[in-house]
Amino acid sequence: EAGVTQFPSHSVIEKGQTVTLRCDPISGHDNLYWYRRVMGKEIKFLLHFVKESKQDESGMPNNRFLAERTGGTYSTLKVQPAELEDSGVYFCASSQGGLAGPSSYNEQFFGPGTRLTVL
Amino acid sequence: AQSVTQPDIHITVSEGASLELRCNYSYGATPYLFWYVQSPGQGLQLLLKYFSGDTLVQGIKGFEAEFKRSQSSFNLRKPSVHWSDAAEYFCAVDGVMNTGFQKLVFGTGTRLLVSP
Repeated sequence: EAGVTQFPSHSVIEKGQTVTLRCDPISGHDNLYWYRRVMGKEIKFLLHFVKESKQDESGMPNNRFLAERTGGTYSTLKVQPAELEDSGVYFCASSQGGLAGPSSYNEQFFGPGTRLTVL
Repeated sequence: AQSVTQPDIHITVSEGASLELRCNYSYGATPYLFWYVQSPGQGLQLLLKYFSGDTLVQGIKGFEAEFKRSQSSFNLRKPSVHWSDAAEYFCAVDGVMNTGFQKLVFGTGTRLLVSP
């Protein structure tokens, strides 16, 4: 079974340009998460989809970031216009559906990340 | 707010020596605790997790971790390190009990170097 895949693996863009990152979750996983790691800092939660709906987008830095999940399958994260501080590694993760509790916690499976460099 | 502290940015251990990576968390209730590992070019892989019960949990690749409520710690240990263990290790906490949905909070990571 294929794991979580992310494209591209690396992206180098100029400040002011637009970049779109893509994440393909494990087939059948309803939950899809985006996280970001700025160099030297912790991995931070950005947002969470349940199927095609945004469950929690409290971690999105500002309105230059737009996430979508078409048909509850793959997801894209668009940064427009990109700024220097957007540089970092963007991780996607997915997990099976349903509410989580002690007996039903669904492991998040992570992709390899997209390294974004804004010059 | 939840937070996780990994005080060691880098650790170098000789192959065959024991390893302990430190993790302290801040959370109002009993958290769900995790250790992930990221090898170069790979995604984060779950090593082990703690929800409740026995405070010593076993994970994959020979790792274990001990939950100590009194110290708010969840340190990762391995008795004998192999060169393939060189990677970056992340401790994480999840406050899912509040919402029913997962939202991992990570530490800054500890990079493990293994010397011959």
